[in-house]
Amino acid sequence: DVKVTQSSRYLVKRTGEKVFLECVQDMDHENMFWYRQDPGLGLRLIYFSYDVKMKEKGDIPEGYSVSREKKERFSLILESASTNQTSMYLCASETARTASDGELFFGEGSRLTVL
Amino acid sequence: AQKVTQAQTEISVVEKEDVTLDCVYETRDTTYYLFWYKQPPSGELVFLIRRNSFDEQNEISGRYSWNFQKSTSSFNFTITASQVVDSAVYFCALSESGSNYKLTFGKGTLLTVNP
Repeated sequence: DVKVTQSSRYLVKRTGEKVFLECVQDMDHENMFWYRQDPGLGLRLIYFSYDVKMKEKGDIPEGYSVSREKKERFSLILESASTNQTSMYLCASETARTASDGELFFGEGSRLTVL
Repeated sequence: AQKVTQAQTEISVVEKEDVTLDCVYETRDTTYYLFWYKQPPSGELVFLIRRNSFDEQNEISGRYSWNFQKSTSSFNFTITASQVVDSAVYFCALSESGSNYKLTFGKGTLLTVNP
């Protein structure tokens, strides 16, 4: 079974702290994604990566950065956490994008609270 | 502009009832894909189905069925004889050739099936 593992299920951080959310997948997938999920807003794409050291902005990249040094690991970084970044963060992966792809495998999510 | 609309925010049914979750999409592309994902209380989204724009055939998988109608830009999901385990948030999603097949999710419908 494909496994996408997010390092922390729950985090509580202070405003201004640097926050790292880690995601690891074990199926050699090329593509990885970070979404945030908020009530009433659904899932919104923050960043995605199609290959090691490659990254592209999603719909709401402001306040975030990412790192993909190894194929299996995709990290989301909040350089200076703010209260409006309190949210559920979901990592996902999929095999190389083809015209018929879109079957994402998701982790269980990381619920971040910024005080 | 919102491209995937799930007008039903919450639905509550009694076990064994049939329930339909609505999804309306908007796209200018002729090649696109539609998806449904399920998010149970554990938090991990699970892929249910993918449909391409050239295949309007309805699909049935056990108690689940999907009705794709291009004329009304809808991709509705019906659960027959609902069960408590069907309680989850259900997301409809769209990927378009013009957006490099990135997924755009609807806001989700929370389905509660009561015993």
